[in-house]
Amino acid sequence: EAQVTQNPRYLITVTGKKLTVTCSQNMNHEYMSWYRQDPGLGLRQIYYSMNVEVTDKGDVPEGYKVSRKEKRNFPLILESPSPNQTSLYFCASSLYSMTQKAGGLIDTQYFGPGTRLTVL
Amino acid sequence: QKEVEQDPGPLSVPEGAIVSLNCTYSNSAFQYFMWYRQYSRKGPELLMYTYSSGNKEDGRFTAQVDKSSKYISLFIRDSQPSDSATYLCAMLIRTSYDKVIFGPGTSLSVIP
Repeated sequence: EAQVTQNPRYLITVTGKKLTVTCSQNMNHEYMSWYRQDPGLGLRQIYYSMNVEVTDKGDVPEGYKVSRKEKRNFPLILESPSPNQTSLYFCASSLYSMTQKAGGLIDTQYFGPGTRLTVL
Repeated sequence: QKEVEQDPGPLSVPEGAIVSLNCTYSNSAFQYFMWYRQYSRKGPELLMYTYSSGNKEDGRFTAQVDKSSKYISLFIRDSQPSDSATYLCAMLIRTSYDKVIFGPGTSLSVIP
């Protein structure tokens, strides 16, 4: 089954304790992204990756790191989590960047099930 | 002013009703207008999208874009309990990357 998986689904941690949220897709997609979702703010993009070893900042990258060593995996790293990073996190992937196609078509972005992170 | 505004609801309608969901936006450079559906404890899934202005229909769903008013709508005809979810509008502009701005979502309940 084609899917994006995230682990863990739920995580409670304390300020300053490094953590990694894993993301994996089995669709051979080149483009992957991380978002956070907060009430009243919608989803906001943290980082994205066009392909292996190619990553860049989205709209809210402060306090996060990513890596893309393999095509299928795109982990999100919080080196020193703080309470303002308490949020619902989503990983997403698409075959290419969404606007790669011509003629007004977009490449569908598939989202993982989410990771609910609480930083105390 | 937020780039994308959406009434969070909640919106509760009886089964069979026509549902209208709306968003306004401020950036006239947005190129793609999307609607996502998000069930509880799930990730968003792309429902439909339009490029530039106009209408697009897919089964019971119709998406409308009015660029002159910076207003987009999603209509759901003959609503079903399975349509109960949060609906997110999103706008996309190609800059150095695919910049997607999501609305906060409208929670919809369709009562049998």
